[in-house]
Amino acid sequence: GAGVSQTPSNKVTEKGKYVELRCDPISGHTALYWYRQSLGQGPEFLIYFQGTGAADDSGLPNDRFFAVRPEGSVSTLKIQRTERGDSAVYLCASSQGTSGSEQYFGPGTRLTVT
Amino acid sequence: QQPVQSPQAVILREGEDAVINCSSSKALYSVHWYRQKHGEAPVFLMILLKGGEQKGHEKISASFNEKKQQSSLYLTASQLSYSGTYFCGTDGSGNTGKLIFGQGTTLQVKP
Repeated sequence: GAGVSQTPSNKVTEKGKYVELRCDPISGHTALYWYRQSLGQGPEFLIYFQGTGAADDSGLPNDRFFAVRPEGSVSTLKIQRTERGDSAVYLCASSQGTSGSEQYFGPGTRLTVT
Repeated sequence: QQPVQSPQAVILREGEDAVINCSSSKALYSVHWYRQKHGEAPVFLMILLKGGEQKGHEKISASFNEKKQQSSLYLTASQLSYSGTYFCGTDGSGNTGKLIFGQGTTLQVKP
């Protein structure tokens, strides 16, 4: 079946602009996670959804970052007033449950802020 | 706290074995192992749960010592396709599945 998909695959934006990154999870997966990965590092947790609600947003760096999942499926990560330090690969993962369930990652969106 | 992985890098010849370790300073509910090739998404390998349950890849084995808060991934008879960076992700919450990843171990298998 189809895996996790993310769009766009690459996004180049200027400092100060607004960006939206989209994640389409595996059908039927109720849990959705956003991670950020910088070069040479492991993925860093940002936010977790169970259904439509953000159950844990403790990893969001500041209030410029926001994510939604209005219908419990597709999720959008929104970044306002982008900074060069936001440049990274943004990964989305989904799973059938929460703890104890495998998380399947999408291909990621490479964000470059110039 | 981020788990610590060792070694940072390892080079093998095809057919050789390797062990990658992951150590946490806090109690763990589960440990997840992933392999990532350059420019690609992390691929799920195995999950080890508190209490002994395991789910994952047939050709890869792992252990989880709950008391020591450590996990090890065993790669036997390595193949060229095993090359990549291996990450352990630890879940200390027991309810969200939020993973904290180690810094990674780079494995290179040579012919």
